[in-house]
Amino acid sequence: DAGITQSPRHKVTETGTPVTLRCHQTENHRYMYWYRQDPGHGLRLIHYSYGVKDTDKGEVSDGYSVSRSKTEDFLLTLESATSSQTSVYFCAISGGRSGNTIYFGEGSWLTVV
Amino acid sequence: TQLLEQSPQFLSIQEGENLTVYCNSSSVFSSLQWYRQEPGEGPVLLVTVVTGGEVKKLKRLTFQFGDARKDSSLHITAAQPGDTGLYLCAGSNQAGTALIFGKGTTLSVSS
Repeated sequence: DAGITQSPRHKVTETGTPVTLRCHQTENHRYMYWYRQDPGHGLRLIHYSYGVKDTDKGEVSDGYSVSRSKTEDFLLTLESATSSQTSVYFCAISGGRSGNTIYFGEGSWLTVV
Repeated sequence: TQLLEQSPQFLSIQEGENLTVYCNSSSVFSSLQWYRQEPGEGPVLLVTVVTGGEVKKLKRLTFQFGDARKDSSLHITAAQPGDTGLYLCAGSNQAGTALIFGKGTTLSVSS
């Protein structure tokens, strides 16, 4: 298994509160990604990073921010959680540009009530 | 906008049957990947197809990349209950920096 750890794995939070999800990798891979997975929508890219302090938006980035201060850590922050952000969030890593294998973490289940 | 359309969305079959899952797009992809996801886990890569017309086999699974590199198919021969899961196709975005995914095909194989 790829060395990817997501935390927390499960969280329930209230609308309007900030939430941070953490992804930690031990593979020293350059690329890191945050996806969300919802019924009927599949996996959608939120943000990705191609190096320390280098990040870019994906297709569903509104309401989310990210930071990568170290190679091994990629943080996803919901500044003010909304019920529409209830989802399963997956972190993924890749050693190179797409076309290389992407390894996924086990997911973080977030419920916003 | 690049889109990957998968069909069927759901498939429920008996053990021993054959099935085919399709992944189609109007865009050309440099490569397509197929992933399998089990409940409560992240997707796991099955195969990457790169060359138009390419066929790859993984035990009872056969993957094909269309000649024009706009579509792909996954064929499972003699399905088993262990094949149950969500099958996802994915291709590079235009910048080549991330994968975009189809919505997936949920396969259920009963014994």
